[in-house]
Amino acid sequence: KAGVTQTPRYLIKTRGQQVTLSCSPISGHRSVSWYQQTPGQGLQFLFEYFSETQRNKGNFPGRFSGRQFSNSRSEMNVSTLELGDSALYLCASSTGQVSDGYTFGSGTRLTVV
Amino acid sequence: AQKITQTQPGMFVQEKEAVTLDCTYDTSDQSYGLFWYKQPSSGEMIFLIYQGSYDEQNATEGRYSLNFQKARKSANLVISASQLGDSAMYFCAMRETGRRALTFGSGTRLQVQP
Repeated sequence: KAGVTQTPRYLIKTRGQQVTLSCSPISGHRSVSWYQQTPGQGLQFLFEYFSETQRNKGNFPGRFSGRQFSNSRSEMNVSTLELGDSALYLCASSTGQVSDGYTFGSGTRLTVV
Repeated sequence: AQKITQTQPGMFVQEKEAVTLDCTYDTSDQSYGLFWYKQPSSGEMIFLIYQGSYDEQNATEGRYSLNFQKARKSANLVISASQLGDSAMYFCAMRETGRRALTFGSGTRLQVQP
Protein backbone atom coordinates (compact mmCIF):
# COMPACT_ATOMS: atom_id res chain seq x y z
CA LYS A 1 0.00 0.00 0.00
CA ALA A 2 1.15 3.56 -0.59
CA GLY A 3 2.98 5.24 2.26
CA VAL A 4 2.69 8.77 3.58
CA THR A 5 3.31 11.31 0.84
CA GLN A 6 4.65 14.75 1.59
CA THR A 7 5.01 17.48 -0.98
CA PRO A 8 7.14 19.27 -1.86
CA ARG A 9 10.35 17.56 -0.78
CA TYR A 10 12.38 20.75 -0.80
CA LEU A 11 11.40 24.38 -0.56
CA ILE A 12 13.30 27.64 -0.41
CA LYS A 13 11.42 30.71 0.77
CA THR A 14 12.29 34.28 1.71
CA ARG A 15 11.72 35.78 5.15
CA GLY A 16 8.26 37.23 5.47
CA GLN A 17 6.70 34.91 2.92
CA GLN A 18 4.23 32.19 3.73
CA VAL A 19 4.38 28.50 2.83
CA THR A 20 1.96 25.58 2.61
CA LEU A 21 3.09 21.98 3.00
CA SER A 22 0.97 18.99 2.09
CA CYS A 23 0.63 15.51 3.53
CA SER A 24 -1.38 12.57 2.18
CA PRO A 25 -1.71 9.84 4.80
CA ILE A 26 -1.97 6.11 4.31
CA SER A 27 -5.36 5.11 3.00
CA GLY A 28 -7.69 4.47 5.91
CA HIS A 29 -5.66 6.48 8.41
CA ARG A 30 -7.68 9.29 9.90
CA SER A 31 -5.03 10.80 12.16
CA VAL A 32 -2.34 13.10 10.80
CA SER A 33 0.24 14.80 12.95
CA TRP A 34 3.05 17.20 12.12
CA TYR A 35 6.53 17.55 13.59
CA GLN A 36 9.33 20.03 13.13
CA GLN A 37 12.92 18.79 13.24
CA THR A 38 15.84 21.17 13.71
CA PRO A 39 19.44 20.52 14.80
CA GLY A 40 18.98 22.73 17.84
CA GLN A 41 15.55 21.74 19.11
CA GLY A 42 15.28 18.20 17.79
CA LEU A 43 11.86 16.80 16.95
CA GLN A 44 8.96 18.85 18.21
CA PHE A 45 5.24 18.23 17.88
CA LEU A 46 3.25 20.84 15.99
CA PHE A 47 -0.33 19.56 15.85
CA GLU A 48 -2.54 16.56 15.29
CA TYR A 49 -5.73 16.20 13.30
CA PHE A 50 -8.30 13.46 13.40
CA SER A 51 -11.34 13.45 11.12
CA GLU A 52 -10.84 17.12 10.23
CA THR A 53 -10.59 18.24 13.88
CA GLN A 54 -7.45 19.51 15.54
CA ARG A 55 -7.15 17.45 18.71
CA ASN A 56 -3.81 18.60 20.02
CA LYS A 57 -1.40 21.45 19.45
CA GLY A 58 2.23 21.89 20.39
CA ASN A 59 3.91 24.97 21.72
CA PHE A 60 4.34 26.93 18.52
CA PRO A 61 3.29 30.48 17.65
CA GLY A 62 0.07 31.18 15.82
CA ARG A 63 2.00 31.61 12.58
CA PHE A 64 1.88 27.84 12.37
CA SER A 65 -1.51 26.48 11.40
CA GLY A 66 -2.94 23.42 9.80
CA ARG A 67 -6.06 21.78 8.54
CA GLN A 68 -7.33 18.40 7.47
CA PHE A 69 -9.69 17.67 4.64
CA SER A 70 -12.48 15.12 4.42
CA ASN A 71 -10.18 12.70 2.56
CA SER A 72 -7.74 12.93 5.51
CA ARG A 73 -5.13 14.86 3.53
CA SER A 74 -3.60 17.58 5.64
CA GLU A 75 -1.86 20.85 5.03
CA MET A 76 0.21 23.00 7.31
CA ASN A 77 0.81 26.66 6.75
CA VAL A 78 3.50 28.92 8.11
CA SER A 79 2.97 32.64 7.66
CA THR A 80 5.52 35.43 7.94
CA LEU A 81 8.45 33.07 7.70
CA GLU A 82 11.48 33.58 9.92
CA LEU A 83 14.99 32.23 9.47
CA GLY A 84 14.41 29.96 12.47
CA ASP A 85 11.59 28.19 10.64
CA SER A 86 14.16 26.44 8.48
CA ALA A 87 13.68 22.79 9.32
CA LEU A 88 12.60 19.37 8.19
CA TYR A 89 8.82 19.12 8.56
CA LEU A 90 7.59 15.57 9.04
CA CYS A 91 4.07 14.32 8.75
CA ALA A 92 2.90 11.12 10.41
CA SER A 93 -0.28 9.18 9.85
CA SER A 94 -1.97 6.73 12.17
CA THR A 95 -5.21 4.85 12.60
CA GLY A 96 -5.57 6.58 15.95
CA GLN A 97 -4.73 3.48 17.95
CA VAL A 98 -1.44 3.90 19.83
CA SER A 99 -0.37 0.32 19.27
CA ASP A 100 -0.69 0.75 15.50
CA GLY A 101 2.16 3.22 15.62
CA TYR A 102 2.84 6.18 13.42
CA THR A 103 4.05 6.06 9.83
CA PHE A 104 6.10 9.04 8.75
CA GLY A 105 6.58 10.59 5.37
CA SER A 106 9.95 11.56 3.93
CA GLY A 107 9.48 15.14 5.06
CA THR A 108 9.64 18.57 3.50
CA ARG A 109 12.92 20.38 3.96
CA LEU A 110 12.19 24.10 4.22
CA THR A 111 14.96 26.65 3.95
CA VAL A 112 14.19 30.27 4.75
CA VAL A 113 16.68 32.80 3.38
CA ALA B 1 12.44 17.88 32.92
CA GLN B 2 13.18 15.89 29.81
CA LYS B 3 10.61 13.23 29.16
CA ILE B 4 12.84 11.07 26.96
CA THR B 5 16.56 10.84 27.55
CA GLN B 6 19.04 9.27 25.18
CA THR B 7 22.46 9.61 26.75
CA GLN B 8 24.52 8.31 23.82
CA PRO B 9 24.94 10.99 21.13
CA GLY B 10 26.97 8.59 19.00
CA MET B 11 27.95 4.95 18.96
CA PHE B 12 30.15 2.71 16.88
CA VAL B 13 29.64 -1.01 16.41
CA GLN B 14 31.37 -3.63 14.31
CA GLU B 15 29.37 -5.34 11.62
CA LYS B 16 27.64 -8.53 12.84
CA GLU B 17 27.91 -7.51 16.49
CA ALA B 18 24.98 -6.60 18.74
CA VAL B 19 24.46 -3.08 20.04
CA THR B 20 22.24 -1.56 22.72
CA LEU B 21 20.90 1.97 22.44
CA ASP B 22 19.77 3.46 25.73
CA CYS B 23 16.51 5.26 26.43
CA THR B 24 14.98 6.37 29.71
CA TYR B 25 11.65 8.12 30.05
CA ASP B 26 9.67 10.06 32.56
CA THR B 27 5.92 9.95 32.93
CA SER B 28 3.31 9.78 35.65
CA ASP B 29 0.84 8.07 33.32
CA GLN B 30 0.15 4.38 33.85
CA SER B 31 -0.74 3.86 30.21
CA TYR B 32 1.72 4.89 27.56
CA GLY B 33 3.48 3.62 24.48
CA LEU B 34 7.17 3.57 23.64
CA PHE B 35 8.56 3.62 20.13
CA TRP B 36 11.87 3.41 18.36
CA TYR B 37 12.45 5.01 14.99
CA LYS B 38 15.38 4.95 12.59
CA GLN B 39 16.21 8.00 10.53
CA PRO B 40 18.70 7.52 7.67
CA SER B 41 20.34 10.51 6.05
CA SER B 42 17.39 10.73 3.63
CA GLY B 43 15.28 12.06 6.50
CA GLU B 44 12.42 9.59 6.59
CA MET B 45 11.51 8.24 10.03
CA ILE B 46 11.22 4.47 9.88
CA PHE B 47 9.21 2.72 12.59
CA LEU B 48 11.14 -0.12 14.20
CA ILE B 49 9.37 -1.37 17.30
CA TYR B 50 6.61 -0.59 19.79
CA GLN B 51 6.16 -1.44 23.47
CA GLY B 52 2.99 -0.78 25.42
CA SER B 53 3.27 -0.03 29.11
CA TYR B 54 1.03 -2.96 29.97
CA ASP B 55 2.81 -5.42 27.72
CA GLU B 56 4.42 -8.07 29.87
CA GLN B 57 6.69 -9.42 27.17
CA ASN B 58 9.52 -7.43 25.64
CA ALA B 59 8.72 -6.51 22.05
CA THR B 60 10.71 -8.07 19.22
CA GLU B 61 10.72 -7.36 15.50
CA GLY B 62 13.26 -9.35 13.54
CA ARG B 63 16.75 -8.17 14.56
CA TYR B 64 15.25 -5.52 16.86
CA SER B 65 14.21 -6.11 20.44
CA LEU B 66 13.19 -3.72 23.15
CA ASN B 67 14.52 -4.29 26.65
CA PHE B 68 11.66 -2.83 28.69
CA GLN B 69 12.30 -2.28 32.39
CA LYS B 70 9.22 -0.51 33.68
CA ALA B 71 10.40 0.08 37.24
CA ARG B 72 13.56 1.72 35.96
CA LYS B 73 11.62 3.56 33.23
CA SER B 74 13.98 2.36 30.57
CA ALA B 75 13.29 1.09 27.06
CA ASN B 76 16.58 0.17 25.45
CA LEU B 77 16.76 -0.93 21.83
CA VAL B 78 18.89 -3.96 21.04
CA ILE B 79 19.98 -4.53 17.46
CA SER B 80 21.43 -7.98 16.89
CA ALA B 81 23.88 -8.81 14.10
CA SER B 82 24.44 -5.22 12.99
CA GLN B 83 24.55 -4.50 9.27
CA LEU B 84 26.14 -1.61 7.40
CA GLY B 85 22.65 -0.42 6.49
CA ASP B 86 21.88 0.07 10.18
CA SER B 87 24.02 3.22 10.21
CA ALA B 88 21.56 6.02 10.98
CA MET B 89 20.07 8.17 13.73
CA TYR B 90 17.87 6.30 16.17
CA PHE B 91 15.14 8.00 18.15
CA CYS B 92 13.24 6.80 21.17
CA ALA B 93 9.76 8.26 21.55
CA MET B 94 6.84 8.07 23.94
CA ARG B 95 3.16 8.72 23.61
CA GLU B 96 1.30 9.33 26.84
CA THR B 97 -2.39 8.56 26.99
CA GLY B 98 -4.51 11.53 26.06
CA ARG B 99 -1.69 13.60 24.62
CA ARG B 100 -1.96 12.24 21.08
CA ALA B 101 1.59 13.27 20.28
CA LEU B 102 4.99 11.66 20.32
CA THR B 103 7.73 13.07 22.52
CA PHE B 104 11.14 12.28 21.09
CA GLY B 105 14.55 11.94 22.61
CA SER B 106 17.56 13.70 21.14
CA GLY B 107 18.66 10.62 19.24
CA THR B 108 21.72 8.40 18.95
CA ARG B 109 23.83 8.30 15.81
CA LEU B 110 24.88 4.71 15.17
CA GLN B 111 27.74 3.94 12.82
CA VAL B 112 28.35 0.35 11.81
CA GLN B 113 31.91 -0.37 10.79
CA PRO B 114 32.95 -3.18 8.43
